[in-house]
Amino acid sequence: DAMVIQNPRYQVTQFGKPVTLSCSQTLNHNVMYWYQQKSSQAPKLLFHYYDKDFNNEADTPDNFQSRRPNTSFCFLDIRSPGLGDAAMYLCATSRDLSGNNEQYFGPGTRLTVT
Amino acid sequence: TQLLEQSPQFLSIQEGENLTVYCNSSSVFSSLQWYRQEPGEGPVLLVTVVTGGEVKKLKRLTFQFGDARKDSSLHITAAQPGDTGLYLCAGEAGNNRKLIWGLGTSLAVNP
Repeated sequence: DAMVIQNPRYQVTQFGKPVTLSCSQTLNHNVMYWYQQKSSQAPKLLFHYYDKDFNNEADTPDNFQSRRPNTSFCFLDIRSPGLGDAAMYLCATSRDLSGNNEQYFGPGTRLTVT
Repeated sequence: TQLLEQSPQFLSIQEGENLTVYCNSSSVFSSLQWYRQEPGEGPVLLVTVVTGGEVKKLKRLTFQFGDARKDSSLHITAAQPGDTGLYLCAGEAGNNRKLIWGLGTSLAVNP
């Protein structure tokens, strides 16, 4: 089945220690998104890639970076995690930016910062 | 700033009851999507509504898009414990194609 896969499902890192979260998709979608979701809140868009074009949200901290080496994979790098970065990180894809922008989510990575 | 307000924020009901959750805005959306998110999982797309006044049914779930495309509702008939989850609405507006997310309605259906 076509899907969005995130690894790991749970990640524990230390304060200030860089961490990378991974996302892969078998949907062959052009757009990949990274969201941050904290408890009882809506997902907050951090950035997205349309093919190789990177689009950063204005309020995304510089501490968050992303890479998309190919169509299937996208990575979220947190350079110096703080306690406030503990959250669920969701990867999503959409076929294109035209149409209804229906997004398909992975299961998420729960990040804990100690 | 475009906002989507969802109500109620929390809802706890007994199995078999009916319920309606609302998603309201002062902005017009070209489309609106409903997602369900279970604890520890990513949101799953339930439906997309596009046309003002549109009604879509998905088994016991009925989705309606307001005539002016500013609001939407989700009605669940005879709720079951498996309906438990966070229901999120997300609207698409403007040329940037970003989704504007509501804060969600957390639904608990008790056996």
